[in-house]
Amino acid sequence: AQTVTQSQPEMSVQEAETVTLSCTYDTSESDYYLFWYKQPPSRQMILVIRQEAYKQQNATENRFSVNFQKAAKSFSLKISDSQLGDAAMYFCAYRSGDRDDKIIFGKGTRLHILP
Amino acid sequence: EAGVAQSPRYKIIEKRQSVAFWCNPISGHATLYWYQQILGQGPKLLIQFQNNGVVDDSQLPKDRFSAERLKGVDSTLKIQPAKLEDSAVYLCASGLGYLNEKLFFGSGTQLSVL
Repeated sequence: AQTVTQSQPEMSVQEAETVTLSCTYDTSESDYYLFWYKQPPSRQMILVIRQEAYKQQNATENRFSVNFQKAAKSFSLKISDSQLGDAAMYFCAYRSGDRDDKIIFGKGTRLHILP
Repeated sequence: EAGVAQSPRYKIIEKRQSVAFWCNPISGHATLYWYQQILGQGPKLLIQFQNNGVVDDSQLPKDRFSAERLKGVDSTLKIQPAKLEDSAVYLCASGLGYLNEKLFFGSGTQLSVL
């Protein structure tokens, strides 16, 4: 069975600095999708960035980028120029390329932004 | 664009009571998901619908949990009877049905079982 591991329960970063959140996953599949979701105190999960496993190029969305290492099964999220609004829980998620497979979430990393 | 609507936002009940949650997904979204998020953990899928059919309910405790999606639109999740360990946030999400798609989540219902 696939698993997603986020080894950092909490992290802090100074405003305007860069922070990297770690995620590793375990799978025997070659076709899958990876996601980072943000959950602010409002509880509404919001997609931050996604990566298709068949793409070698790392995904980028404005200040958010990923470092996707397929062989190492690692999918870290880098947030540049951290802003106070980035404070939230961040969840790494995996989805198999099988059409009916479910999305598996990690336990999350709580990110604090220090002013 | 209207988001995923969920109600109620909070619910407090005593163990062995029944409770129901409601979800209205984004119009046109074929897939609907119910997740259970226990404090300090990531969301765990309870049930996934494709239109009004069940795709995956392997992690739904069927002796006490039930869910339906009538006419492939709104959905309700029911717990009967509730246990203390059911205390969690119940999140509803919807999507168009593509594997790499962005899911749209509601704000969830926070359930406390006393």
